[in-house]
Amino acid sequence: GQQVMQIPQYQHVQEGEDFTTYCNSSTTLSNIQWYKQRPGGHPVFLIQLVKSGEVKKQKRLTFQFGEAKKNSSLHITATQTTDVGTYFCAGESGGSYIPTFGRGTSLIVHP
Amino acid sequence: DAGITQSPRYKITETGRQVTLMCHQTWSHSYMFWYRQDLGHGLRLIYYSAAADITDKGEVSDGYVVSRSKTENFPLTLESATRSQTSVYFCASSETDNSPLHFGNGTRLTVT
Repeated sequence: GQQVMQIPQYQHVQEGEDFTTYCNSSTTLSNIQWYKQRPGGHPVFLIQLVKSGEVKKQKRLTFQFGEAKKNSSLHITATQTTDVGTYFCAGESGGSYIPTFGRGTSLIVHP
Repeated sequence: DAGITQSPRYKITETGRQVTLMCHQTWSHSYMFWYRQDLGHGLRLIYYSAAADITDKGEVSDGYVVSRSKTENFPLTLESATRSQTSVYFCASSETDNSPLHFGNGTRLTVT
């Protein structure tokens, strides 16, 4: 079955440093979604990428979808303490509407 | 999201007991999902539903049962709770296929 791998599992940064999490799928994806979960909270949708090579920005967050539609990344520029949380990617493939989630990357920002 | 609510927020039960987790959404979304979240495993799909009276198993469905007699409700039942089912359970809905998921606040279940 489809597998979505996400690395790293944890990332400690000093406030102001950049952060990147990577997502890789074993199959070609029709789309990829990114979610953020604050500690003690629930996952909240951030963005969806659909097109090959697509790049989208949300303020300090940059999302990329690979040319082969099998990988994606989320980059945060100049992290802030409000960025703390776990970031999940979720991919759909093969006409399935069921997103498969990566295990998430937990971002810890030290002030 | 106020449109999808889970109850209870916290539940402690004993091994062998039946327990039902409730999920209600007010958007009339077609698709609904149940995930469990455990440290180191991320979000794992238990069951999903494309519409009322249509349900399918996910990757970790053993020991769980669902129903969807109405579009807005998607209860999850643990038929005979085991300690391995101690987890945080999230219900989610989406308007169409390929649209984002909206998650409830979760139910933290402890099986003693």
